[in-house]
Amino acid sequence: SQTIHQWPATLVQPVGSPLSLECTVEGTSNPNLYWYRQAAGRGLQLLFYSVGIGQISSEVPQNLSASRPQDRQFILSSKKLLLSDSGFYLCAWSGGSEQYFGPGTRLTVT
Amino acid sequence: DAKTTQPNSMESNEEEPVHLPCNHSTISGTDYIHWYRQLPSQGPEYVIHGLTSNVNNRMASLAIAEDRKSSTLILHRATLRDAAVYYCILEHPYYDMRFGAGTRLTVKP
Repeated sequence: SQTIHQWPATLVQPVGSPLSLECTVEGTSNPNLYWYRQAAGRGLQLLFYSVGIGQISSEVPQNLSASRPQDRQFILSSKKLLLSDSGFYLCAWSGGSEQYFGPGTRLTVT
Repeated sequence: DAKTTQPNSMESNEEEPVHLPCNHSTISGTDYIHWYRQLPSQGPEYVIHGLTSNVNNRMASLAIAEDRKSSTLILHRATLRDAAVYYCILEHPYYDMRFGAGTRLTVKP
């Protein structure tokens, strides 16, 4: 069966520090991969999606970037965090119509 | 992008049916209608999806209007565990889905 992992579960980072969140998927090949962000009390905002290794589409211009170095690995990064980057970051994968979400990373930028 | 409109919140009594509405008047012919739900501090969970015909699964039913400009998610017997935020989403190419604010469902015992 397929599983999706995200880490860390929670993270507190100072403004201006770098960020690296990792997501890996097991049990499937060539999945579509997604990064979402959810601000407190709000809906999900699609940040990036990828249909293959090295193929990244950005939905929101900002100080975040994403990379897909391997088929089932998706990384979200930032060189310098802003206060507005705080939120719940969710990784998801799909192989068809359904998306399956990871447990999420709650990021607090102080 | 085609967008959806949902009520901010709804309430239901336990063991009663719940009808969650969604308007998507600018839907295109190839957009699938998806429903997900999200419990607090968790990622969204797939509920159901459809294109034109009504759909049933073990979790819920999806009723799609003939003109496809609206749909309704039906929970046949609400339980306390169904309390969540329910998202109605249109699927764009490459399985790209845009989540709105959703409907917060409260289930009263």
